[in-house]
Amino acid sequence: GEDVEQSLFLSVREGDSSVINCTYTDSSSTYLYWYKQEPGAGLQLLTYIFSNMDMKQDQRLTVLLNKKDKHLSLRIADTQTGDSAIYFCAESRDGQNFVFGPGTRLSVLP
Amino acid sequence: GAVVSQHPSRVICKSGTSVKIECRSLDFQATTMFWYRQFPKQSLMLMATSNEGSKATYEQGVEKDKFLINHASLTLSTLTVTSAHPEDSSFYICSARGEGWPQHFGDGTRLSIL
Repeated sequence: GEDVEQSLFLSVREGDSSVINCTYTDSSSTYLYWYKQEPGAGLQLLTYIFSNMDMKQDQRLTVLLNKKDKHLSLRIADTQTGDSAIYFCAESRDGQNFVFGPGTRLSVLP
Repeated sequence: GAVVSQHPSRVICKSGTSVKIECRSLDFQATTMFWYRQFPKQSLMLMATSNEGSKATYEQGVEKDKFLINHASLTLSTLTVTSAHPEDSSFYICSARGEGWPQHFGDGTRLSIL
């Protein structure tokens, strides 16, 4: 079946940029998402990208998609302590059935 | 933006108790709601998908009789964990999807069975 992979941990210093990477296997993915989960909370949609887009920028967040390599990345500029959380990559063919990655735990060091 | 409210946020109860968790879409009509389970330090595992007015579709390995799902209206779905045991302790998260997309998630319910 479809699979989504992410590195499990990332540590950055406050003020630096964070880059969280994700790879997926489903070549029919139409929608790709990034969700943020803070401790003890549900998932918050950060941003999403259609598979026919290469890049999407929204304030401090930049999503890059390499469809040929099935590689998705999320860049957070000027990372703050409040950005410490788990970030989930997810893909979907129909916007309804999601496949989530294992999540990347981002730690922001002072 | 779209808001999904999930209650309760935390439940602690004795083994054998049945627990009901509610998931409400507050500002949109949720034609489809999803229930996920998340173990510590792991990703979300889809348990079931429910469409308003019809029976839920369960993922393989999820016991229908243990996890009862009701989606009686376009704004409310409930998950009842029947005769809960310690192995049912987990973080349960619902999400909802309406005419637009993508899914919007509730804040989760931490269930602890003693």
